[in-house]
Amino acid sequence: GQQVMQIPQYQHVQEGEDFTTYCNSSTTLSNIQWYKQRPGGHPVFLIQLVKSGEVKKQKRLTFQFGEAKKNSSLHITATQTTDVGTYFCAGIISSGSARQLTFGSGTQLTVLP
Amino acid sequence: DTEVTQTPKHLVMGMTNKKSLKCEQHMGHRAMYWYKQKAKKPPELMFVYSYEKLSINESVPSRFSPECPNSSLLNLHLHALQPEDSALYLCASSQDRWLRNTEAFFGQGTRLTVV
Repeated sequence: GQQVMQIPQYQHVQEGEDFTTYCNSSTTLSNIQWYKQRPGGHPVFLIQLVKSGEVKKQKRLTFQFGEAKKNSSLHITATQTTDVGTYFCAGIISSGSARQLTFGSGTQLTVLP
Repeated sequence: DTEVTQTPKHLVMGMTNKKSLKCEQHMGHRAMYWYKQKAKKPPELMFVYSYEKLSINESVPSRFSPECPNSSLLNLHLHALQPEDSALYLCASSQDRWLRNTEAFFGQGTRLTVV
Protein backbone atom coordinates (compact mmCIF):
# COMPACT_ATOMS: atom_id res chain seq x y z
CA GLY A 1 0.00 0.00 0.00
CA GLN A 2 0.89 3.66 -0.11
CA GLN A 3 3.35 4.56 2.61
CA VAL A 4 4.96 7.68 3.96
CA MET A 5 8.07 7.02 6.00
CA GLN A 6 10.00 9.38 8.26
CA ILE A 7 13.47 9.26 9.72
CA PRO A 8 14.70 9.36 12.34
CA GLN A 9 12.03 7.87 14.57
CA TYR A 10 13.53 9.60 17.64
CA GLN A 11 15.94 12.49 18.02
CA HIS A 12 17.45 13.89 21.19
CA VAL A 13 19.23 17.23 20.87
CA GLN A 14 20.77 19.72 23.24
CA GLU A 15 18.98 23.05 23.33
CA GLY A 16 20.49 25.29 20.67
CA GLU A 17 21.39 22.45 18.32
CA ASP A 18 19.75 22.02 14.93
CA PHE A 19 17.26 19.27 14.05
CA THR A 20 16.12 17.76 10.75
CA THR A 21 13.47 15.16 9.96
CA TYR A 22 13.08 13.56 6.54
CA CYS A 23 9.94 12.25 4.91
CA ASN A 24 9.78 9.85 1.94
CA SER A 25 6.79 8.61 0.02
CA SER A 26 6.53 5.52 -2.14
CA THR A 27 4.27 7.47 -4.53
CA THR A 28 4.19 10.99 -5.93
CA LEU A 29 2.35 13.36 -3.65
CA SER A 30 -0.10 16.06 -4.72
CA ASN A 31 1.08 18.15 -1.80
CA ILE A 32 2.51 17.62 1.64
CA GLN A 33 1.58 19.01 5.02
CA TRP A 34 3.51 19.09 8.28
CA TYR A 35 1.95 18.75 11.73
CA LYS A 36 3.31 18.97 15.26
CA GLN A 37 1.87 16.97 18.14
CA ARG A 38 2.94 17.92 21.65
CA PRO A 39 3.04 15.15 24.29
CA GLY A 40 -0.55 14.43 25.31
CA GLY A 41 -1.86 16.75 22.61
CA HIS A 42 -3.34 16.59 19.15
CA PRO A 43 -1.78 17.25 15.74
CA VAL A 44 -1.54 20.94 14.88
CA PHE A 45 -0.99 22.10 11.32
CA LEU A 46 2.31 23.82 10.59
CA ILE A 47 2.53 24.29 6.83
CA GLN A 48 1.59 22.96 3.39
CA LEU A 49 3.92 22.59 0.40
CA VAL A 50 2.46 22.25 -3.07
CA LYS A 51 5.06 22.95 -5.74
CA SER A 52 7.97 20.79 -6.77
CA GLY A 53 11.18 22.11 -5.13
CA GLU A 54 9.26 24.50 -2.90
CA VAL A 55 10.97 25.93 0.19
CA LYS A 56 9.08 27.73 2.95
CA LYS A 57 10.31 29.28 6.17
CA GLN A 58 8.57 29.97 9.46
CA LYS A 59 10.96 31.70 11.85
CA ARG A 60 13.43 28.93 12.83
CA LEU A 61 11.63 26.25 10.77
CA THR A 62 12.50 25.53 7.12
CA PHE A 63 10.40 23.17 5.04
CA GLN A 64 11.39 21.70 1.66
CA PHE A 65 9.49 19.68 -0.94
CA GLY A 66 11.55 17.54 -3.27
CA GLU A 67 11.74 18.05 -7.02
CA ALA A 68 10.01 14.72 -7.66
CA LYS A 69 7.35 15.47 -5.01
CA LYS A 70 8.17 12.23 -3.22
CA ASN A 71 10.19 13.58 -0.31
CA SER A 72 10.24 16.48 2.10
CA SER A 73 12.21 17.74 5.06
CA LEU A 74 11.74 19.94 8.11
CA HIS A 75 14.77 21.68 9.59
CA ILE A 76 14.70 23.53 12.91
CA THR A 77 17.57 25.90 13.64
CA ALA A 78 18.70 26.42 17.24
CA THR A 79 16.11 24.23 18.93
CA GLN A 80 14.29 25.40 22.04
CA THR A 81 12.51 23.37 24.72
CA THR A 82 9.21 24.55 23.24
CA ASP A 83 10.04 22.56 20.08
CA VAL A 84 9.53 19.27 21.95
CA GLY A 85 6.95 17.02 20.32
CA THR A 86 6.38 14.63 17.45
CA TYR A 87 6.61 16.04 13.95
CA PHE A 88 4.54 14.33 11.29
CA CYS A 89 4.60 14.85 7.57
CA ALA A 90 1.30 14.05 5.90
CA GLY A 91 1.16 13.39 2.20
CA ILE A 92 -1.90 14.00 0.12
CA ILE A 93 -2.20 11.12 -2.29
CA SER A 94 -4.66 11.14 -5.17
CA SER A 95 -6.27 7.81 -5.87
CA GLY A 96 -8.94 8.00 -8.55
CA SER A 97 -11.53 10.46 -7.31
CA ALA A 98 -10.32 10.27 -3.72
CA ARG A 99 -7.63 12.29 -1.99
CA GLN A 100 -6.34 11.06 1.34
CA LEU A 101 -4.13 12.59 3.99
CA THR A 102 -1.63 9.85 4.85
CA PHE A 103 0.55 10.51 7.87
CA GLY A 104 4.23 9.64 8.00
CA SER A 105 5.55 7.56 10.87
CA GLY A 106 6.65 10.69 12.78
CA THR A 107 9.84 11.90 14.44
CA GLN A 108 9.75 12.39 18.19
CA LEU A 109 11.98 15.31 19.19
CA THR A 110 13.36 15.70 22.70
CA VAL A 111 15.23 18.91 23.52
CA LEU A 112 17.51 18.74 26.54
CA PRO A 113 17.95 22.04 28.42
CA ASP B 1 -13.99 29.86 15.97
CA THR B 2 -11.25 27.54 14.69
CA GLU B 3 -11.90 24.71 17.08
CA VAL B 4 -12.94 21.13 16.71
CA THR B 5 -14.53 20.00 19.95
CA GLN B 6 -14.59 16.36 20.99
CA THR B 7 -16.45 14.77 23.88
CA PRO B 8 -15.78 12.99 26.09
CA LYS B 9 -12.06 13.59 26.63
CA HIS B 10 -11.65 10.23 28.35
CA LEU B 11 -13.79 7.10 28.17
CA VAL B 12 -13.49 3.72 29.83
CA MET B 13 -15.87 1.08 28.57
CA GLY B 14 -16.43 -2.63 28.91
CA MET B 15 -16.45 -4.97 25.96
CA THR B 16 -20.24 -5.32 26.12
CA ASN B 17 -20.95 -1.60 26.38
CA LYS B 18 -22.33 0.74 23.74
CA LYS B 19 -20.96 4.27 23.74
CA SER B 20 -20.64 7.20 21.35
CA LEU B 21 -17.92 9.72 20.66
CA LYS B 22 -18.99 13.17 19.56
CA CYS B 23 -17.29 15.81 17.45
CA GLU B 24 -18.43 19.32 16.57
CA GLN B 25 -17.06 22.14 14.42
CA HIS B 26 -18.51 25.51 13.48
CA MET B 27 -16.03 26.53 10.80
CA GLY B 28 -18.34 25.65 7.94
CA HIS B 29 -16.08 22.77 6.94
CA ARG B 30 -17.70 20.21 4.65
CA ALA B 31 -15.28 17.34 5.29
CA MET B 32 -14.96 15.57 8.61
CA TYR B 33 -12.73 12.69 9.59
CA TRP B 34 -12.19 10.06 12.23
CA TYR B 35 -8.64 8.96 12.95
CA LYS B 36 -7.34 6.34 15.39
CA GLN B 37 -3.95 6.86 17.03
CA LYS B 38 -2.11 4.27 19.09
CA ALA B 39 0.72 5.33 21.39
CA LYS B 40 3.87 6.46 19.55
CA LYS B 41 2.20 5.85 16.17
CA PRO B 42 0.82 8.22 13.53
CA PRO B 43 -2.91 8.86 13.19
CA GLU B 44 -4.60 6.25 10.97
CA LEU B 45 -7.57 7.29 8.88
CA MET B 46 -10.81 5.48 9.67
CA PHE B 47 -13.63 7.39 7.95
CA VAL B 48 -14.13 10.46 5.79
CA TYR B 49 -17.42 12.31 5.47
CA SER B 50 -17.86 14.78 2.66
CA TYR B 51 -21.02 16.93 2.57
CA GLU B 52 -22.51 14.67 5.25
CA LYS B 53 -22.04 11.55 3.15
CA LEU B 54 -19.58 8.78 3.93
CA SER B 55 -16.96 8.89 1.20
CA ILE B 56 -14.14 6.76 2.62
CA ASN B 57 -14.26 3.78 4.98
CA GLU B 58 -10.79 2.39 5.49
CA SER B 59 -11.97 -1.19 6.06
CA VAL B 60 -12.90 -0.42 9.64
CA PRO B 61 -14.62 -3.23 11.62
CA SER B 62 -18.39 -2.88 11.95
CA ARG B 63 -18.11 -2.44 15.72
CA PHE B 64 -17.25 1.17 14.79
CA SER B 65 -20.21 2.95 13.23
CA PRO B 66 -19.89 6.58 12.10
CA GLU B 67 -22.75 9.01 11.75
CA CYS B 68 -22.96 12.55 10.43
CA PRO B 69 -26.28 14.08 11.58
CA ASN B 70 -25.49 17.46 10.01
CA SER B 71 -22.62 19.46 8.60
CA SER B 72 -21.33 20.45 12.06
CA LEU B 73 -21.56 17.14 13.88
CA LEU B 74 -19.83 13.81 13.59
CA ASN B 75 -20.41 10.83 15.84
CA LEU B 76 -18.65 7.51 16.24
CA HIS B 77 -20.80 4.78 17.76
CA LEU B 78 -18.93 2.02 19.55
CA HIS B 79 -20.25 -1.45 20.30
CA ALA B 80 -18.62 -4.68 21.44
CA LEU B 81 -15.11 -3.27 21.29
CA GLN B 82 -11.96 -5.23 22.09
CA PRO B 83 -9.11 -4.19 24.40
CA GLU B 84 -6.89 -3.65 21.33
CA ASP B 85 -9.28 -0.88 20.26
CA SER B 86 -7.98 1.23 23.13
CA ALA B 87 -6.44 4.33 21.56
CA LEU B 88 -6.76 8.07 21.07
CA TYR B 89 -9.62 8.78 18.67
CA LEU B 90 -9.17 12.03 16.80
CA CYS B 91 -11.79 13.94 14.89
CA ALA B 92 -10.69 16.41 12.23
CA SER B 93 -12.32 18.71 9.73
CA SER B 94 -11.26 20.59 6.60
CA GLN B 95 -12.93 22.92 4.13
CA ASP B 96 -13.38 20.03 1.75
CA ARG B 97 -11.98 16.55 1.28
CA TRP B 98 -9.83 17.60 -1.65
CA LEU B 99 -7.34 19.33 0.67
CA ARG B 100 -6.00 21.47 -2.15
CA ASN B 101 -5.26 24.63 -0.23
CA THR B 102 -6.54 23.77 3.18
CA GLU B 103 -5.34 22.01 6.26
CA ALA B 104 -7.04 19.62 8.64
CA PHE B 105 -8.05 20.93 12.07
CA PHE B 106 -7.88 18.28 14.76
CA GLY B 107 -9.87 18.01 17.95
CA GLN B 108 -8.15 17.19 21.23
CA GLY B 109 -9.25 13.59 20.94
CA THR B 110 -11.02 11.05 23.10
CA ARG B 111 -8.72 8.73 24.97
CA LEU B 112 -10.56 5.40 24.94
CA THR B 113 -9.77 2.46 27.19
CA VAL B 114 -11.60 -0.83 26.64
CA VAL B 115 -11.55 -3.15 29.63
